[in-house]
Amino acid sequence: DAGITQSPRHKVTETGTPVTLRCHQTENHRYMYWYRQDPGHGLRLIHYSYGVKDTDKGEVSDGYSVSRSKTEDFLLTLESATSSQTSVYFCAISGARTDTQYFGPGTRLTVL
Amino acid sequence: AQSVAQPEDQVNVAEGNPLTVKCTYSVSGNPYLFWYVQYPNRGLQFLLKYITGDNLVKGSYGFEAEFNKSQTSFHLKKPSALVSDSALYFCAVRDGSSNTGKLIFGQGTTLQVKP
Repeated sequence: DAGITQSPRHKVTETGTPVTLRCHQTENHRYMYWYRQDPGHGLRLIHYSYGVKDTDKGEVSDGYSVSRSKTEDFLLTLESATSSQTSVYFCAISGARTDTQYFGPGTRLTVL
Repeated sequence: AQSVAQPEDQVNVAEGNPLTVKCTYSVSGNPYLFWYVQYPNRGLQFLLKYITGDNLVKGSYGFEAEFNKSQTSFHLKKPSALVSDSALYFCAVRDGSSNTGKLIFGQGTTLQVKP
């Protein structure tokens, strides 16, 4: 988890509210990723970034948006949270496309 | 399309015995293969990876994995299991020809090591 922090670590919210999760890195890595972890599915990629203001969709991007205005921060926004977005969200970073990805400690989100 | 299968939801082994956690994969290009471990309420920790070269890869905490191209497998192994190895293990694959670096994960295998 060194060099990667996620905030908040836990959040409970209500259906229909917007939620923003933050990933912060101190490694100056170019690539950043957002995954969600659900039982029986492993981790699935939501969005990723390959540089400041450069982002692209992953396999489960519906209902999520991202922004990266600085190298160190990658924000994930649930525009209108739904119960199906209850999950544990992980941020990951890598220095290059082919490098190992290193993961943050995760954010547990509950949507009631 | 890329995919990863971990055929066992749980593996049980006695402390001191060898352990194997299975993983098979499917990619269109050359595979980049990874193993991660997750302890309760923690993030994923990198164990080892195969990119190219020797089919037997050694990683952290005494773990190793063998890449088998003909069987499209990348099984995780350890000669002597410890109770502290009990955790959730994930295999992941990236297509080496992809320009995105995206990882595809298996569903995970829980390893239970009993004293």
